[in-house]
Amino acid sequence: DIQMTQSPSSLSASVGDRVTFTCRASQSISNYLNWYQQRPGKAPKLLIYGVSSLQSGVPSRFSGSGSGTDFTLTISSLQPEDFAAYYCQQNYSLPWTFGQGTKVEIK
Amino acid sequence: QVQLQESGPGLVKPSQTLSLTCTVSGASINSGTYYWSWIRQPAGKGLEWIGRIYVTGSTNYNPSLKSRVTISVDASKNQFSLKLSSVTAADTAVYYCVGSSWPDNWFDPWGQGTLVTVSS
Repeated sequence: DIQMTQSPSSLSASVGDRVTFTCRASQSISNYLNWYQQRPGKAPKLLIYGVSSLQSGVPSRFSGSGSGTDFTLTISSLQPEDFAAYYCQQNYSLPWTFGQGTKVEIK
Repeated sequence: QVQLQESGPGLVKPSQTLSLTCTVSGASINSGTYYWSWIRQPAGKGLEWIGRIYVTGSTNYNPSLKSRVTISVDASKNQFSLKLSSVTAADTAVYYCVGSSWPDNWFDPWGQGTLVTVSS
């Protein structure tokens, strides 16, 4: 199985901050990397697919980059509704696997 | 707009079989447009993909659960189902049914999730 490792596991930030967190795959996954946002008590929501393509309706303050084994998700200006957990997921090879998540908390 | 809704018992006894159903609306489960998956999340933890089924009946399962998992489709009801046998407390989690567009394999849409507790 491909292991996905996210860092940090949590971070504290303020509204308006630029935040970046990372996802590392245990082997190259090319550009088969997706990001999800999960607000408390809710189902995850697809944010970004294929490393950098924004899902319809996702604000442009979200962006993704990377290739191979190292990927990043950036929120350019944190908004109150962005305080949530974020998960990366590889769709390079079965079984599909997720990172353990990064929780963004209010400072 | 495709919507998914999980249903099934919220409490299952150890060693028994967990059974959940996902009802799909807004799309035909037979359309071939989606893979249909189950994903679970223990409280406070991350996401684990359990397995998926395609319109052809073809299935793929997570090797960590493969010996205990069966996913099936009932096209007449536009539903797909999960059975997980010999459950233990470690199977306590929120279970989500999820669609992923063929052939893309990213997960969207998601059901709202249903909590299943394994306890005597």
